[in-house]
Amino acid sequence: GENVEQHPSTLSVQEGDSAVIKCTYSDSASNYFPWYKQELGKRPQLIIDIRSNVGEKKDQRIAVTLNKTAKHFSLHITETQPEDSAVYFCAASKVRDDKIIFGKGTRLHILP
Amino acid sequence: NAGVTQTPKFQVLKTGQSMTLQCAQDMNHNSMYWYRQDPGMGLRLIYYSASEGTTDKGEVPNGYNVSRLNKREFSLRLESAAPSQTSVYFCASSVSRLGTEAFFGQGTRLTVV
Repeated sequence: GENVEQHPSTLSVQEGDSAVIKCTYSDSASNYFPWYKQELGKRPQLIIDIRSNVGEKKDQRIAVTLNKTAKHFSLHITETQPEDSAVYFCAASKVRDDKIIFGKGTRLHILP
Repeated sequence: NAGVTQTPKFQVLKTGQSMTLQCAQDMNHNSMYWYRQDPGMGLRLIYYSASEGTTDKGEVPNGYNVSRLNKREFSLRLESAAPSQTSVYFCASSVSRLGTEAFFGQGTRLTVV
């Protein structure tokens, strides 16, 4: 079955700097890659997603890139702000069977 | 519009007791999921249901059973709770097999003593 690896497990960056979180997946048939943000004590919520027919997607300060050949995708957050502090999860799924497999998460700390 | 609703929010069980976690969504979604979240382990899929009347095992199904009662409701049952099942459980739903956003419930914090 699908396996999603996520790195790093913890990341600390100065406010205003950029943060990058990387994920790899094992199943070459996976074709949908969402990213979720979970604030302390809250439920995970989608922040951005990308499909396998697209190499990059951007939404304001957040961008995701996908390399299908290498089977890895990354989340980029620019001009980080205190409210970006949270746990971020990557995930992968195949449209045909609808199973969504998550990575283990990255705890992002934004330092003042 | 309530989205995905889970009950209860908190529960303490003794080892060997049974209980059912309830989940309901009002977004007319076809797919529903149960995940458990443990520190350092991320969100692990227990069971999922791609449509009413179907259920499939996820990554960690042992010790659990599910029931897709109708399109709205997807319950998770622990027949004989064990301390290893202490976790936060999340229910989620999504539109269908289209690779779309999953919406999560608020979670159930379960402690087995």
